[in-house]
Amino acid sequence: GAGVSQSPRYKVTKRGQDVALRCDPISGHVSLYWYRQALGQGPEFLTYFNYEAQQDKSGLPNDRFSAERPEGSISTLTIQRTEQRDSAMYRCASSQLNRVSDEQFFGPGTRLTVL
Amino acid sequence: EDQVTQSPEALRLQEGESSSLNCSYTVSGLRGLFWYRQDPGKGPEFLFTLYSAGEEKEKERLKATLTKKESFLHITAPKPEDSATYLCAVRFSGNTPLVFGKGTRLSVIA
Repeated sequence: GAGVSQSPRYKVTKRGQDVALRCDPISGHVSLYWYRQALGQGPEFLTYFNYEAQQDKSGLPNDRFSAERPEGSISTLTIQRTEQRDSAMYRCASSQLNRVSDEQFFGPGTRLTVL
Repeated sequence: EDQVTQSPEALRLQEGESSSLNCSYTVSGLRGLFWYRQDPGKGPEFLFTLYSAGEEKEKERLKATLTKKESFLHITAPKPEDSATYLCAVRFSGNTPLVFGKGTRLSVIA
């Protein structure tokens, strides 16, 4: 596709439910990143992949959060047993490779609301 | 303590009134400093990357500069369509992830 796409764009769920957020990166991009962005804040790093390998998951808040990218393309961020504090905009970005010079292209985000 | 600090938080300009946005960082070992523009409801859009002190990059009415501890985004004769949140992000070393500031919300009034 022309850019990074994410689905769903909006997700409302009840506390305790599991949610899966999907990211489809730019075709051919090796690196894929997940961020969380609160209102009025910059994106906060969660995790990233090169190809299918998860390189850094230091930003995941706790073990309810996990991510995968099994075929090195589409990625899923899963939040188990959601809590109200998980409500935020979740953004995905991709780059050609995780070099310092590589710009990251961001998707439109998934707005998660936990009731 | 924030590693990346942007100021001001919000800036309101008249059309044509030039100004500068600031991004300062506290950790040494900068590998790259990135400027992004974010429109409401959209993801950040890449503007510039700066790597070393003294470097400058320009795009239309925007010019980004870098010193050892901060970067400036200069906006010359802004137009209403320049209204957006401008985000600064820093990569400190190796393959560390980008660390973003909170952004500056710019409003340009016609």
